[in-house]
Amino acid sequence: QQPVQSPQAVILREGEDAVINCSSSKALYSVHWYRQKHGEAPVFLMILLKGGEQKGHDKISASFNEKKQQSSLYLTASQLSYSGTYFCGPRDYGGSQGNLIFGKGTKLSVKP
Amino acid sequence: DTAVSQTPKYLVTQMGNDKSIKCEQNLGHDTMYWYKQDSKKFLKIMFSYNNKELIINETVPNRFSPKSPDKAHLNLHINSLELGDSAVYFCASSQGDHGYTFGSGTRLTVV
Repeated sequence: QQPVQSPQAVILREGEDAVINCSSSKALYSVHWYRQKHGEAPVFLMILLKGGEQKGHDKISASFNEKKQQSSLYLTASQLSYSGTYFCGPRDYGGSQGNLIFGKGTKLSVKP
Repeated sequence: DTAVSQTPKYLVTQMGNDKSIKCEQNLGHDTMYWYKQDSKKFLKIMFSYNNKELIINETVPNRFSPKSPDKAHLNLHINSLELGDSAVYFCASSQGDHGYTFGSGTRLTVV
């Protein structure tokens, strides 16, 4: 079952903040976040494990609420280098057999 | 040193041909994957393999077959290529529940 990401796209000015949401219909035990720049491979940002922890990577942080079966990625004071498509990959206990089923992605464009 | 390497980077071929894409990882990871990314940028899992178990996404046509000569390699063989197979194919690897490392991708164009 594919997770739902929102928004599908967002345009920011440098220095602005953004939130990307990821929700699943299944019980989760972890969520991965990746960023893919145009013409490149996806790059791992962080993994959130159950327990509602929040993690950070530079000025990018994320939270995971396993009860709500959702995760959010927070981009603070965005930089031009943040542009790309962000994918969440929730890991559930069941049918995906541990494989990451990625959302459709959120395209983030940061303008000067 | 490249962590996950794929060859070739580009592949243009005619319908009906058979082709292979090679993938090697030097990270010592226990699991390798193949993902397909279509023109809408949707990343779809095709296979995962951890030298004990091959997991095949049920939607993948049986024209696609993974072949793993050892735990550092997972090649993708495609028979009777179709126009709809055109996409970017990414190999990835991981260890336990850690992040995936992706290869740089192979852009397959079927004409």
